[in-house]
Amino acid sequence: EDQVTQSPEALRLQEGESSSLNCSYTVSGLRGLFWYRQDPGKGPEFLFTLYSAGEEKEKERLKATLTKKESFLHITAPKPEDSATYLCAVQGPSGTYKYIFGTGTRLKVLA
Amino acid sequence: EAGVAQSPRYKIIEKRQSVAFWCNPISGHATLYWYQQILGQGPKLLIQFQNNGVVDDSQLPKDRFSAERLKGVDSTLKIQPAKLEDSAVYLCASSLESWPYTGELFFGEGSRLTVL
Repeated sequence: EDQVTQSPEALRLQEGESSSLNCSYTVSGLRGLFWYRQDPGKGPEFLFTLYSAGEEKEKERLKATLTKKESFLHITAPKPEDSATYLCAVQGPSGTYKYIFGTGTRLKVLA
Repeated sequence: EAGVAQSPRYKIIEKRQSVAFWCNPISGHATLYWYQQILGQGPKLLIQFQNNGVVDDSQLPKDRFSAERLKGVDSTLKIQPAKLEDSAVYLCASSLESWPYTGELFFGEGSRLTVL
């Protein structure tokens, strides 16, 4: 069964304190791995797509990496406005392209 | 470009009552998704449409939940009868299957359901 597991569930950082969020997955025939940001009361907002092991994507203070079993979202020198829930999702093989999410990591960055 | 529209934003009902949620995806988006997000959890896929057809509904509780997408555009998700555990935010998302593929889902703001 396709599965996405994220850790930690929650993370508190001081402003400027870099860290990483983990997303491990099991899916046959990965079509893509995705990172989203979700603010309270809002729908998730797309950040990145990673297609194959070894790939990296960057956006401001965020960098996403992918291996055959997991992905990391590295946050460098975070600011309070980076506080949000970060969701990882995977899309399975052709035929269904089923799109499933992990449980998320709630990030709080303290000033 | 208009985003994904959902209504109502909030709904409070008694258990065993029925409720319906409506979603209008971004124009031209062939794939439409309904997710259930319980507080503190990630979105759980309920049903995925490709145009008019159902691609996946393996996690839809079919004894009480139903969904349709008429003419490959708008969609309605219905719950009848509602249970306490159905209290959640119901998120609708759409995507464009085109080249280059990004896999990006565009989400609405969600419909928050409280079952008393």
